[in-house]
Amino acid sequence: EVQLVESGGGLVQPGRSLRLSCTASGFTFGDYAMSWVRQAPGKGLEWVGFIRSKAYGGTTEYAASVKGRFTISRDDSKSIAYLQMNSLKTEDTAVYYCTRQGEGWFEDWGQGTLVTVSS
Amino acid sequence: AIRITQSPSSLSASTGDRVTITCRASQGISSYLAWYQQKPGKAPKLLIYAASTLQSGVPSRFSGSGSGTDFTLTISCLQSEDFATYYCQQYYSYPWGLTFGGGTKVEIK
Repeated sequence: EVQLVESGGGLVQPGRSLRLSCTASGFTFGDYAMSWVRQAPGKGLEWVGFIRSKAYGGTTEYAASVKGRFTISRDDSKSIAYLQMNSLKTEDTAVYYCTRQGEGWFEDWGQGTLVTVSS
Repeated sequence: AIRITQSPSSLSASTGDRVTITCRASQGISSYLAWYQQKPGKAPKLLIYAASTLQSGVPSRFSGSGSGTDFTLTISCLQSEDFATYYCQQYYSYPWGLTFGGGTKVEIK
């Protein structure tokens, strides 16, 4: 059974940084691209970014709203994906979901972790 | 960026009803569309990909259709566990600019 468990969320002040982790199990982590998707309170879903598998270079793509501030990385030896969030803004407040990427769609989702950006 | 307009934003229906939700893309996206179900406080769940392919384990009362710019999710006989919010998502521009529709909340009449 595929399991994705996010951690690292919490309350952070504007301008500060936070790193989220996504620990995966139940599949060969290194074979898959991974994405992060967020959902602001009471709002819809927004794709944040994506990291390819090492077989495809392990490179990343980001939504315009976070490009230059957020960085996705992966440690295949530990089956963990990371979302490093810098220069946080109040509008980054959301539940952040880690997802296992299908061929464009989001195949499996973690339970999410809440990030609140507030002074 | 490709925009997805989902309608209606909410609807009220009764158990046993046939329910239809639509998504319209701002440009042609072939069949590169997925549908998700989200219940309150839970993560979304993949229902359908490639516009009409049912994800493993999803009940057959769910179906998807369409290509190009217009897509439909149909629930043929609404069950109590189907009351939720549904989202569509385009991946024509994968891996760049993946976008979701605004969601449709299906409520009990």
